Amino acid sequence: QVQLQESGPGLVKPSQTLSLTCTVSGGSISSGDYYWSWIRQPPGKGLEWIGYIYYSGSTYYNPSLKSRVTISVDTSKNQFSLKLSSVTAADTAVYYCARKYCSSTSCYLFDPWGQGTLVTVSS
Amino acid sequence: SYVLTQPPSVSVAPGQTARITCGGNNIGSKSVHWYQQKPGQAPVLVVYDDSDRPSGIPERFSGSNSGNTATLTISRVEAGDEADYYCQVWDSSSDYVVFGGGTKLTVL
Repeated sequence: QVQLQESGPGLVKPSQTLSLTCTVSGGSISSGDYYWSWIRQPPGKGLEWIGYIYYSGSTYYNPSLKSRVTISVDTSKNQFSLKLSSVTAADTAVYYCARKYCSSTSCYLFDPWGQGTLVTVSS
Repeated sequence: SYVLTQPPSVSVAPGQTARITCGGNNIGSKSVHWYQQKPGQAPVLVVYDDSDRPSGIPERFSGSNSGNTATLTISRVEAGDEADYYCQVWDSSSDYVVFGGGTKLTVL
């Protein structure tokens, strides 16, 4: 079955850009049935949706993060990526990638998720 | 923006039934999904579209949704059900994915 794995630096300095990659295995990222998503979770807190991308490159972002977020896709590598600019300590979180798909009544289900990667913003 | 409200914690004895609520304005008109997150692990979808279960999820997990409250029900609770549970919807008015704040289920 499909598996997702996040990778990238675990420590980013304030004001710099956070960059993460999610590698999809067991299935093609170019499948038209799915979108590919980023979700984060600050330590000890709840989940926050960041955005998602279709294999064609169409993107949808959380309005509260939109000015700082870029999600891109590389179908040749079966990967998609997240860039978050001008980070502060408030961006410290576990970042998850996840597959978004549709049921019979909703197109906003997230499953499966990657294991997550902790990114700390600190000088 | 749309807000989902969950109780911070719910406690239940083994073998009993746990009910975790998710409140939102007219949430009954939306499709509600529930995720289970065990410590140090990624969330797992346990109920979708209010009351459907993904393959591999025990029948003990069920859901309902009406009016301003959606409910995740876990029957015959086991120690392994101890986790954080999050509800989630899509708010069409803002095209925004919303998660509830999460509920910590403690098995006594």
